[in-house]
Amino acid sequence: GAGVSQSPSNKVTEKGKDVELRCDPISGHTALYWYRQSLGQGLEFLIYFQGNSAPDKSGLPSDRFSAERTGGSVSTLTIQRTQQEDSAVYLCATEGLTDEAFFGQGTRLTVV
Amino acid sequence: GENVEQHPSTLSVQEGDSAVIKCTYSDSASNYFPWYKQELGKRPQLIIDIRSNVGEKKDQRIAVTLNKTAKHFSLHITETQPEDSAVYFCAATGRRALTFGSGTRLQVQP
Repeated sequence: GAGVSQSPSNKVTEKGKDVELRCDPISGHTALYWYRQSLGQGLEFLIYFQGNSAPDKSGLPSDRFSAERTGGSVSTLTIQRTQQEDSAVYLCATEGLTDEAFFGQGTRLTVV
Repeated sequence: GENVEQHPSTLSVQEGDSAVIKCTYSDSASNYFPWYKQELGKRPQLIIDIRSNVGEKKDQRIAVTLNKTAKHFSLHITETQPEDSAVYFCAATGRRALTFGSGTRLQVQP
């Protein structure tokens, strides 16, 4: 597809379970971001990948959160031992040469 | 890292009036300043951006101004319409990641 694709669109999980969220970037986009957006709130930066550079993990809220980007393309955000406060929409965005960030539709995570 | 502050958090205007949203940033190395609009339940989308080598940019009813010395930039929407109602986010790209302001909820009253 032409846009940033995230899966799943919605995820309901039980407290304590691990979840994996996936982001398929626009082809050729070297920069990839993960943000978290709680209901009615702003865009909380989580992690940033740029090419082959070491990722900027400064926004990850705890060691339960991790992310990978394999081969400079698909990225997965993993949350271990989920807690209710992890409930939010997780947004992926990718950038190409123009600096414009294109967002995916997000994954709505609900921890029950 | 970069820190972006945005004001006001909410803004209500009458249809046809102008709206102004202001942001400040901390990293003097920042050189790209986009504005995103997020409608309810949708993803953020770029509406206008400005680079550090210009002071103002305009696109129809939307304009952005940048003051590098003071490290602040503003979004101006003229002749507001009900469909302008949304949350607006400013952002700045510093040495690394794209950092967003906290957002402004704009409500245009018909």
